[in-house]
Amino acid sequence: DQQVKQNSPSLSVQEGRISILNCDYTNSMFDYFLWYKKYPAEGPTFLISISSIKDKNEDGRFTVFLNKSAKHLSLHIVPSQPGDSAVYFCAAGGGADGLTFGKGTHLIIQP
Amino acid sequence: EPEVTQTPSHQVTQMGQEVILRCVPISNHLYFYWYRQILGQKVEFLVSFYNNEISEKSEIFDDQFSVERPDGSNFTLKIRSTKLEDSAMYFCASSELLAGTGELFFGEGSRLTVL
Repeated sequence: DQQVKQNSPSLSVQEGRISILNCDYTNSMFDYFLWYKKYPAEGPTFLISISSIKDKNEDGRFTVFLNKSAKHLSLHIVPSQPGDSAVYFCAAGGGADGLTFGKGTHLIIQP
Repeated sequence: EPEVTQTPSHQVTQMGQEVILRCVPISNHLYFYWYRQILGQKVEFLVSFYNNEISEKSEIFDDQFSVERPDGSNFTLKIRSTKLEDSAMYFCASSELLAGTGELFFGEGSRLTVL
């Protein structure tokens, strides 16, 4: 049962353009959402988060949008840079359990 | 910058052997976690630990698994009798707050290969 879904295993974007990574969830008890970035041979690193009382959170080039009615969130990276090439995990939480992760989207930034 | 450290980075073991994976969480963090990622699959929650006891565990975390904080700094994951399907990357994480309310800091992972 996939409670957090990232339906695009990979995404290719040209350098300088906007990257949009999508995530859907099914559990309405989730009240906190996070994006993690992972390079090969490293652990996931925290990127940005949003609580369910907000619909947008911005941090530099990264913006996360939350649509609670659609149970959908997205991560926007603009402008995309070569160092952004990595696997991006959407994660959701809401209580004592650890986070529930999506399968990840491999973002490839092309020069 | 404080970080979570894990040892060993890679361990190869025979099926049926016991394995201990070690983690040193960030010193002022109170919540500790183990996650695993089987090759090509998603990161999966195993267990969370707070105040010297398990607070939550997933279905994956069966009787073959145990966690311990033996000395106030290390946080260990023990697999009593490894199976082939235990081969995965195991990530330790820690946080100041509950995972659902604050970010987790992950270690670089310990790759376990069971032959």
